[in-house]
Amino acid sequence: DTEVTQTPKHLVMGMTNKKSLKCEQHMGHRAMYWYKQKAKKPPELMFVYSYEKLSINESVPSRFSPECPNSSLLNLHLHALQPEDSALYLCASSQGGSHNEKLFFGSGTQLSVL
Amino acid sequence: GDSVTQMEGPVTLSEEACLTINCTYTATGYPSLFWYVQYPGEGLQLLLKATKADDKGSNKGFEATYRKETTSFHLEKGSVQVSDSAVYFCALSELVTGRRALTFGSGTRLQVQP
Repeated sequence: DTEVTQTPKHLVMGMTNKKSLKCEQHMGHRAMYWYKQKAKKPPELMFVYSYEKLSINESVPSRFSPECPNSSLLNLHLHALQPEDSALYLCASSQGGSHNEKLFFGSGTQLSVL
Repeated sequence: GDSVTQMEGPVTLSEEACLTINCTYTATGYPSLFWYVQYPGEGLQLLLKATKADDKGSNKGFEATYRKETTSFHLEKGSVQVSDSAVYFCALSELVTGRRALTFGSGTRLQVQP
């Protein structure tokens, strides 16, 4: 199994809603990542978890809250989002978090905030 | 800080034409360099990588050589196919700064016509 699975594929939410994005991998990878990608732009790093601990937070607003319940799962909890947060949210994983490793990406969750 | 600069797109080619997508980088140390490809509606996939100067990465007919003297990592393919139509991202990852996560270029959209 060499897949990173993200759910849901699409999500529409209002600014007062609370929702969660989920990511799962069963490759035994110990580093997991959240990226945000606006249309026609490159992915921007949000968070990195290494061995289930948050190792990088790219000054992301607190309305985005990551969680890593175990080594296979990564969640992104969303609360009080703004319309400008609408984007494709990509999850990725890598074996150990070394700088020259391949990242495996999921297909993303397309989020629309109304 | 680290950065990656790619040529503007879209690049439109006829099938069997030669492809070059330029990529240059700025880094404080000795980064690893990557090309990722994103097909419509999907996440990113690693196409090839090189981890030190003069290394050549290759995959599916694509090649790129890590040129330290020109700080470049241009992507080339001798004969493109319609199925190569996608967005191509050049990226780097560097250990020196302790930042073990990818920095992406802006992406170059390739359109191959039959």
